Amino acid sequence: GESVGLHLPTLSVQEGDNSIINCAYSNSASDYFIWYKQESGKGPQFIIDIRSNMDKRQGQRVTVLLNKTVKHLSLQIAATQPGDSAVYFCAEKPPGAQKLVFGQGTRLTINP
Amino acid sequence: EAGVAQSPRYKIIEKRQSVAFWCNPISGHATLYWYQQILGQGPKLLIQFQNNGVVDDSQLPKDRFSAERLKGVDSTLKIQPAKLEDSAVYLCASSLGSQAEKLFFGSGTQLSVL
Repeated sequence: GESVGLHLPTLSVQEGDNSIINCAYSNSASDYFIWYKQESGKGPQFIIDIRSNMDKRQGQRVTVLLNKTVKHLSLQIAATQPGDSAVYFCAEKPPGAQKLVFGQGTRLTINP
Repeated sequence: EAGVAQSPRYKIIEKRQSVAFWCNPISGHATLYWYQQILGQGPKLLIQFQNNGVVDDSQLPKDRFSAERLKGVDSTLKIQPAKLEDSAVYLCASSLGSQAEKLFFGSGTQLSVL
């Protein structure tokens, strides 16, 4: 069945360090992936997306890496700031489906 | 650019009562989605509209949930009667195209069923 999961439910990092949030997806034919950030009491906010024909995509302070061989997606946040504290969700779009399937999420906390 | 608007922000009802949520998507966005997010989980798609037509409602509990998108703009999601397990955040999202890519979400309605 469709499922998108995360290796770790919580991640704690020092302010200024780089954060890496991991995600495993189940459908090897999924052609689109996306990361969202959700702060408490708010809806998910788009961070970055990537298509299956790419291995890496960079944004402002964020990089998404896609490893299709092991069906793994990661989000790297450079120089983590207190404002990065949130729950991060990855989602995939299975082939032939016009919908996003979300994982459980990883809570990122920043230590001062 | 205004974002996706949802109301109310919070709703508390007793089981077996009915409740309705409203969503106004980003102007010009053809596709509208309703997601249910149970505490500690990722959002789960309930129903997807393309303009005013239903694209996917396979995970909508149709015995109690209904949704409409009249005129292809605003949408309402209704639950009647509500059950305890319906307690969740109901998120509305919209996207410019029909490809379910880069969805923009509203802040959601937090529903508590007592």
